[in-house]
Amino acid sequence: EVQLVESGGGLVQPGGSLRLSCAASGFTFRSYWMTWVRQAPGKGLEWVANIKQNGSEKYYVDSVKGRFTMSRDNAKNSLYLQMNSLRAEDTAVYYCARHGTIGWYFDLWGRGTLVTVSP
Amino acid sequence: EIVLTQSPGTLSLSPGERVTLSCRASQSVSSSYLAWYQQKPGQAPRLLMYGASSRATGIPDRFSGSGSGTDFTLTISRLEPEDFAVYYCQQYGSSPTFGQGTKVEIK
Repeated sequence: EVQLVESGGGLVQPGGSLRLSCAASGFTFRSYWMTWVRQAPGKGLEWVANIKQNGSEKYYVDSVKGRFTMSRDNAKNSLYLQMNSLRAEDTAVYYCARHGTIGWYFDLWGRGTLVTVSP
Repeated sequence: EIVLTQSPGTLSLSPGERVTLSCRASQSVSSSYLAWYQQKPGQAPRLLMYGASSRATGIPDRFSGSGSGTDFTLTISRLEPEDFAVYYCQQYGSSPTFGQGTKVEIK
């Protein structure tokens, strides 16, 4: 089955760190750009970061630059998001998603993992 | 950053009705790099359209997309019960951004 499964979310204090993981299966993971998108409770979608097939290019939304680091391990079919210096406004469901073959739209999504930043 | 504005915020409709959702960009979206997603409560978004008018795999043909430049539209020709959801547009001509969403609710 083609799927993405996120893990690693939870409750963390402001200023803390968390590492999210995303396990891919059912497709050739190393052939796709991958992305993280987040959704604050009751709010819309926000693109967070993406990474090229071989990890040589990464891009981030301005609000997380210098705090979040995206990486991947193609041998393990896994995607990661290291989140440091977390703020209350980072509270959201974090989705990993696969890029389409001809552009930066997202054609496969995981079910998401909730990150809550609170004292 | 390209800002996408969706309208209306909420639509109250009945099954069988035709729906037209609007997505307007603050600047031109290159090469019609515009996608639409559907999201139901507690679920991840699902890709409906990409390239403004291409349906994603498995999307029924009652969904259609159009537009170019700064104005884009998603049309549902006849609302089915499973179509009541929130719809988001997303541009990917530059750093990806999403609209704020349009909720289609049952009247």
